[in-house]
Amino acid sequence: KAGVTQTPRYLIKTRGQQVTLSCSPISGHRSVSWYQQTPGQGLQFLFEYFSETQRNKGNFPGRFSGRQFSNSRSEMNVSTLELGDSALYLCASSLGGQGARTEAFFGQGTRLTVV
Amino acid sequence: KNEVEQSPQNLTAQEGEFITINCSYSVGISALHWLQQHPGGGIVSLFMLSSGKKKHGRLIATINIQEKHSSLHITASHPRDSAVYICARERGSQGNLIFGKGTKLSVKP
Repeated sequence: KAGVTQTPRYLIKTRGQQVTLSCSPISGHRSVSWYQQTPGQGLQFLFEYFSETQRNKGNFPGRFSGRQFSNSRSEMNVSTLELGDSALYLCASSLGGQGARTEAFFGQGTRLTVV
Repeated sequence: KNEVEQSPQNLTAQEGEFITINCSYSVGISALHWLQQHPGGGIVSLFMLSSGKKKHGRLIATINIQEKHSSLHITASHPRDSAVYICARERGSQGNLIFGKGTKLSVKP
């Protein structure tokens, strides 16, 4: 079955602009999590969605937001871009739900460059 | 201090060597993940464990809940194992991961 698909793979934006990144999870997976990876801070958790609801949020400013659609596809949005937002943005999907934890599958990431 | 500490930061090995990467965490966990990241960014989940030991091919992951410590072992290492290995502690809900800084492994032929 198809893996986690992130689009676009690469993106260049100007300071002050906004950007929307997309993540299509593995079919049947209902949980989607987003992460930011930078050379300085490493990998950091942004937020997690399950069944269209944000279940958890990391320590990022309100400029970072997301949503999940009824087909489990998720988008994240960054408004008023800053140079420091340049990073690799990764999403991961899993079956989710309560009870036993299940393995997460990662997408290839979207590399965002802010100039 | 990072909640998840990995050692070593960098590791160079000769092909065939047995490799161990260590991960310590400071608070209780619901699960501990080991991830592999190749150049280019893609991440592969290797193990998710909350107790004991798991094995997949040449990879073995162990966890000691009382000591808050996990290890990733690679037997008979191969140049294709060269990658960054990251451990991550799961906090609360699934997906809410606290990551270590990673161990960059280079296996020489």
